[in-house]
Amino acid sequence: QLQESGPGLVRPSGTLSLTCAVSGDSINNNEWWTWVRQAPGKGLEWLGEIFPSGNTNYNPSLKSRITMSVDKSKNQFSLTLTSVTAADTALYHCGRVPAGGSWRLDPWGQGTLVTVSS
Amino acid sequence: QSVLTQPPSVSAAPGQRVTISCSGSGSNIGSTYVSWYQHFPGAAPKLLIYDNNKRPSGIPDRFSASKSGPSATLGITGLQTGDEAHYYCGAWDNSLNIGVFGGGTKLTVL
Repeated sequence: QLQESGPGLVRPSGTLSLTCAVSGDSINNNEWWTWVRQAPGKGLEWLGEIFPSGNTNYNPSLKSRITMSVDKSKNQFSLTLTSVTAADTALYHCGRVPAGGSWRLDPWGQGTLVTVSS
Repeated sequence: QSVLTQPPSVSAAPGQRVTISCSGSGSNIGSTYVSWYQHFPGAAPKLLIYDNNKRPSGIPDRFSASKSGPSATLGITGLQTGDEAHYYCGAWDNSLNIGVFGGGTKLTVL
């Protein structure tokens, strides 16, 4: 089970920070941990993924604004997005890519809504 | 604009069958596996189909899927009002090196 948490409101040009708590599984398994978002009225956008070793893959559209990290002691992983604008307003989900087999997300968190506004 | 293309909405009567299409390209659906997700507002999206046509444990066989070239299709038979949700296709894109999704299809069971 995955549960997102973080501030629901972020000021423009500020930093968005979210955490995904993992339960019922160890974040130290050989699995990719992922962030996906959905802006109002739009489809799902893959933001990036992190492996327990710290290896990451990020969506190039986010350029240098995105950072992901893993906290093994707390069994959670995090997303940081800097220089946010209204375009970053979205429902943010975390998810797991199960070890082995093809790429897919299972399970997902229910998401946390982040609004960028002054 | 989503990398994968889905119809915004589909509808059908209870008990009937509906299909949802997902169109991509050779760098995603055409060369990788497709997954499908069901999403009720306020809930976590759920994996319905993986590896193009496999159902995870607990997903009824009313849900099926297929893939042909750069396109995929989700089928739902014996429609129930409880199936009303948004459905998304997803795949890894080998050229962009990112996960990609469709824009989502809202299913209405009339």
